Amino acid sequence: DADVTQTPRNRITKTGKRIMLECSQTKGHDRMYWYRQDPGLGLQLIYYSFDVKDINKGEISDGYSVSRQAQAKFSLSLESAIPNQTALYFCATSDRATGAGNTIYFGEGSWLTVV
Amino acid sequence: AQSVTQLGSHVSVSEGALVLLRCNYSSSVPPYLFWYVQYPNQGLQLLLKYTTGATLVKGINGFEAEFKKSETSFHLTKPSAHMSDAAEYFCALMYSGGGADGLTFGKGTHLIIQP
Repeated sequence: DADVTQTPRNRITKTGKRIMLECSQTKGHDRMYWYRQDPGLGLQLIYYSFDVKDINKGEISDGYSVSRQAQAKFSLSLESAIPNQTALYFCATSDRATGAGNTIYFGEGSWLTVV
Repeated sequence: AQSVTQLGSHVSVSEGALVLLRCNYSSSVPPYLFWYVQYPNQGLQLLLKYTTGATLVKGINGFEAEFKKSETSFHLTKPSAHMSDAAEYFCALMYSGGGADGLTFGKGTHLIIQP
C-alpha cells in the first residue's frame, strides 16, 4: 500500500462544480502539501500545512482551499471549478524531525479534468 | 527569489550512452537540491538530494549529481542509459524559513532512450 494515498485518482467535473481531492498518509509526517502539475511547467505549490492548526498559501492558491482534518489527512477543494484548473494534482508529505533538507514524498497524483 | 532552470525540455540518448541532464539554480541562501523522477502515470520518486557535505551525491538506479557552487549547478548523470530510464526528471530546490517551506521545481526534462 502507498504511504501517501490520493482519492480520486481520476475525475472529470463540470465548470462551476465543487470538487474535493483527498489525501491521507501513513508516514506519520507532520507536514503536508498540495502541488499542481501542468505539462511543461513543472510543479507549483498550492497550499502547505505544518500541522493541523497551521495552513499556509503557496504560489498559486487562488481558486483553491484546503482542510487539514487530522495529522494524516489533508484535502484540497475547488469551490467552483474552471477549465484552467484541469491538471495533475499531487499531495506530498515531509517530516520536520529529519531536519534541514528533509525529503518530500509524493502521492501518485489525481488527474482532474474540468469541462 | 529562488529559481531552478533545467536546460532542455527533451533529451534523447542512445541505450548505453551517457545521460546528462542539466540543472542550474538561483538562491540567496545555501541551497538544498533534489532530483526527482516521474515515470508515466506515476508520482514523483526521489532520485537523490544534496544537503551539506560531499558535493558528489549518489542516488538510486545508478544516477549521481554534483553540486558546483561556483557554477550554481546540480547536473544529473548516469554513465550508461537503460530503456527503463525513460521518464520525466525534475530538479528542485528546497526553501525554508520566513514561514515558508516547500520545493521550487524546474520545468522538467523528458528523457528519451533510443534503442
